[in-house]
This record gives sequence, C-alpha cells and structure tokens, in this order.
Amino acid sequence: AQSVAQPEDQVNVAEGNPLTVKCTYSVSGNPYLFWYVQYPNRGLQFLLKYITGDNLVKGSYGFEAEFNKSQTSFHLKKPSALVSDSALYFCAVRDHQTGANNLFFGTGTRLTVIP
Amino acid sequence: KAGVTQTPRYLIKTRGQQVTLSCSPISGHRSVSWYQQTPGQGLQFLFEYFSETQRNKGNFPGRFSGRQFSNSRSEMNVSTLELGDSALYLCASSPAAENTGELFFGEGSRLTVL
Repeated sequence: AQSVAQPEDQVNVAEGNPLTVKCTYSVSGNPYLFWYVQYPNRGLQFLLKYITGDNLVKGSYGFEAEFNKSQTSFHLKKPSALVSDSALYFCAVRDHQTGANNLFFGTGTRLTVIP
Repeated sequence: KAGVTQTPRYLIKTRGQQVTLSCSPISGHRSVSWYQQTPGQGLQFLFEYFSETQRNKGNFPGRFSGRQFSNSRSEMNVSTLELGDSALYLCASSPAAENTGELFFGEGSRLTVL
C-alpha cells in the first residue's frame, strides 16, 4: 500500500529564512512523489514531482525537494521564505498498482511565514 | 487557457437530498479525477474518468457516483446525503492517458449538509 506522512501540522518560519516541510513515504516499488500547495479557499496547485533521476528536484516558485531513498523522505525546501509562501502544503504519492490518477495525499502542513 | 471550472462553488443541502457537482476540465484534458477534502480525513480520492470510462475508484460508498461526457466534462452525484458528506469536493484534470501525477485542480465545490 502507498502512503505518505507529514509529521508536522504546522511550521512557522521567519521571512528570509530557509524553510523545510517534511514528508516521508511508504511504497512498494519505485515511488512517484509530489508536492502540492493550497492557498485559502482555493484548489491545489502542483509544485514539483520526483519520478526518477536527480535526487534534488526543482519546482515552481523557487521550491525544491530532496528525494532520499535510504530515509524514505521527500522534504520540501526553499532557501528564503516569503510571506506569500504561507499556505497548506501536501505531499502525495501515486498509486502504482492502478497506474491511474490516484494520488494518496498526506494530511498537510500549514506553513506560516512571519514578516 | 481557462483552468478547471467547478460549479457550483458553494451549496447547502439537507440530509437525504441528493446533489450533482459539475467539472469542466482544461481544454484538451481527457482525464478527470475527483477528491473529497475534509478536516478530519484530509484529501481522499473518489474516482477518475478517462474518455468517458471510470478508470479507478476510491473507497467510497455507492452513494457517490460520477460520469464523464464526450467533451470530457464530468459530474459527480451524491445521493441520500449524510452530515458527514459535508466537504470540499475537488476536481482535477490531466492531459494524458498515462498518469504523470501532475493534476490541475479546480477551486472546488463546498458542500454543506444540514
């Protein structure tokens, strides 16, 4: 069974500081991993994905994520946080077994960037 | 290019009623997925349609159903509404037959069941 865990419900960071939002995964086979962001009263927006290749994946809005197979982690990072980055962040893994658009999402981490 | 459009954005129903939600995917996208988002359960996959066929279904009761039309527009229906069906229902479209996991979400339909 595929699953992801986001151990932190809330992350606070000062503007200009680096930020990290944590995600660990459990999959059978090679993982397809994703990060999505949700702003208030909006749908989710795709940030980045890891399928294969370099462990450091770069995405939208200056975000990047590091895939670590030995630690089964896929943490989201940004070198310098902006107040506008404040939002709800979801890690997700694709369901390999069906091969369809079935993503398993984590419970989400609310990021607050403090001015 | 217009994004994914969901209607209605907000609606209020009472227990026992039924509801139909609509989703228009991005032009050219043939795959449409539906997710339910609640504070308690988070985001849960409902079903996915591709070329008018249900390709996959999540673990929801039969009261939840959907369909896709030849123009790729999709509807989902919930019959005999329960209080626990109150949620944000998100539709997402994807261009390819092969799932890349990169989904384009609408802003959702917020259903309140009283």
